[in-house]
Amino acid sequence: GAVVSQHPSRVICKSGTSVKIECRSLDFQATTMFWYRQFPKKSLMLMATSNEGSKATYEQGVEKDKFLINHASLTLSTLTVTSAHPEDSSFYICSAREPSGIATGELFFGEGSRLTVL
Amino acid sequence: AQKVTQAQTEISVVEKEDVTLDCVYETRDTTYYLFWYKQPPSGELVFLIRRNSFDEQNEISGRYSWNFQKSTSSFNFTITASQVVDSAVYFCALSEAGYGGSQGNLIFGKGTKLSVKP
Repeated sequence: GAVVSQHPSRVICKSGTSVKIECRSLDFQATTMFWYRQFPKKSLMLMATSNEGSKATYEQGVEKDKFLINHASLTLSTLTVTSAHPEDSSFYICSAREPSGIATGELFFGEGSRLTVL
Repeated sequence: AQKVTQAQTEISVVEKEDVTLDCVYETRDTTYYLFWYKQPPSGELVFLIRRNSFDEQNEISGRYSWNFQKSTSSFNFTITASQVVDSAVYFCALSEAGYGGSQGNLIFGKGTKLSVKP
């Protein structure tokens, strides 16, 4: 199946700094990528839908100025957590959809990035 | 609205026991897709199965089997002769193909943590 790679897998940062997480589709072009957040012992919650060449669509309650999403190419989307605080500590997972997946809804997931803000 | 319910938060079994993970979904759409993902302790999501709403045939893959029943809106997952390596959190998810602005997005259940003891 298709491969989606996420980097870094783990990051620890100080409160107030910004952290960038990359999501790459390695063997297909992804016009749409999704960013999820997973709190401990919780399900995955969609944060935003990232569309190549246009602004991301954020879910209700997600601060767009805090979680900056850029989808500059068909193989790369980035999530930047700006001025991170301890409450932003979480597991962030990206997913991407092959063009053929538009009808099936099938998504391919990255490995996830665990962010710890001290 | 779409919703996925996994009523079992945690299940603990002894190796070689069979175990069934329940999943009940809600959707207004007639065309939709159901998924099961495995999330081992390392965090990545592992795709297990996708089933479309028009295919109610049960599926078996090795020790895994799935029972899809539209009449009860359920898509249950059974592991036969469980093994320690099956220990993970299992997520059931729903995607409504062609739905609105978040086309292809997955709605996840809260997950069931399975612990298989030796």
